[in-house]
Amino acid sequence: AQKVTQAQTEISVVEKEDVTLDCVYETRDTTYYLFWYKQPPSGELVFLIRRNSFDEQNEISGRYSWNFQKSTSSFNFTITASQVVDSAVYFCALSEAPRQAGTALIFGKGTTLSVSS
Amino acid sequence: ETGVTQTPRHLVMGMTNKKSLKCEQHLGHNAMYWYKQSAKKPLELMFVYSLEERVENNSVPSRFSPECPNSSHLFLHLHTLQPEDSALYLCASSQDEDSYNEQFFGPGTRLTVL
Repeated sequence: AQKVTQAQTEISVVEKEDVTLDCVYETRDTTYYLFWYKQPPSGELVFLIRRNSFDEQNEISGRYSWNFQKSTSSFNFTITASQVVDSAVYFCALSEAPRQAGTALIFGKGTTLSVSS
Repeated sequence: ETGVTQTPRHLVMGMTNKKSLKCEQHLGHNAMYWYKQSAKKPLELMFVYSLEERVENNSVPSRFSPECPNSSHLFLHLHTLQPEDSALYLCASSQDEDSYNEQFFGPGTRLTVL
């Protein structure tokens, strides 16, 4: 069965520190997609990134970077030079191969990141 | 309005009340979802609609009743809820049923059942 584990429940850092959020997933499918979402205090989940299982290239977007390693079933997220505005709950999610109609995301429990000034 | 909107943002109801949550997406998407987010638990998928047809119902109690009158609107009708149903209810939409499409979420309705 598919599963997403975010072992870090809460992380607190001081501004300008780098921080890595861990995500480990389980799936039997060879085709799947991984996502990261950010949930600020306002509530709505904001899409950050999507990777498919055939693309293991790491990605960098500004201060954000993602490290996808199939060998360890991990998809970790690093924020460089963190800022107070990065404070939020971050969710890792897994979606398996396309189904007939409608596809669910399997979410981890989330990691609450608190960045203080 | 843009994106995915949800009303009301906050709702307090008694166990004998009947209320409805509304979700509207302005993105031209064909699939819509209801999720439940409880404290300390992962988001739980409740219902999936694709082209106005329900395609998934994850063993949700019958006191939750979804309705999708068209591809832009999704409702969640609530009746005789329990205190443990208190949670943040999130609506999402995606382009279609392909799993590689990201889901866009609304801000949620914070529900408290007394």
